[in-house]
Amino acid sequence: DPKIIQKPKYLVAVTGSEKILICEQYLGHNAMYWYRQSAKKPLEFMFSYSYQKLMDNQTASSRFQPQSSKKNHLDLQITALKPDDSATYFCASSQEDWGPYEQYFGPGTRLTVL
Amino acid sequence: GEQVEQRPPHLSVREGDSAIIICTYTDSATAYFSWYKQEAGAGLQLLMSVLSNVDRKEEQGLTVLLNKKDKRLSLNLTAAHPGDSAVYFCAVTTGGLSGKLTFGEGTQVTVIS
Repeated sequence: DPKIIQKPKYLVAVTGSEKILICEQYLGHNAMYWYRQSAKKPLEFMFSYSYQKLMDNQTASSRFQPQSSKKNHLDLQITALKPDDSATYFCASSQEDWGPYEQYFGPGTRLTVL
Repeated sequence: GEQVEQRPPHLSVREGDSAIIICTYTDSATAYFSWYKQEAGAGLQLLMSVLSNVDRKEEQGLTVLLNKKDKRLSLNLTAAHPGDSAVYFCAVTTGGLSGKLTFGEGTQVTVIS
């Protein structure tokens, strides 16, 4: 059974619209993360949450907003979508946000913005 | 901030041979090092991780070497087989409360039968 679920697997959106990417982990972890992988850049850290609190935000834009309704959920809301937002978004989790830093990744949501 | 360089970007290796991927990092406070494997269209699979007090670790045909003096991390795939064909990433972190991993650009490994 998959331990980290991301939904949907593929997502197509139009410029200016808003989408929510879903992430649920069933590893019993206390820390969750979002990363982005695009053709132009290596995997980039976006956010980290620990016990449902934001620990770090490395995105330059407020259009990206994480939402944690439960300890094992960390959704990503993206507003005013742009073609440059096209990428695969990966959710990850670890036991804690401090050592030993073993992060486990979900299968990703591939977002295409037209 | 931390910068990670990974090489080579592409690597072809014959089945049964060994392959080595190298990452260099810039921050001497880097505390934790990982290697991930990404197969086509899939997520990242954690292969192995080491703390900064470990120089060498071997598991299931993989060897990770850490040279803190030169700020260099390597992954050696021994006796490659077709299932090893994938993109491999190194990832490092200095620790702290962020948990942020900084990734290398990736190495596409192709195992030729």
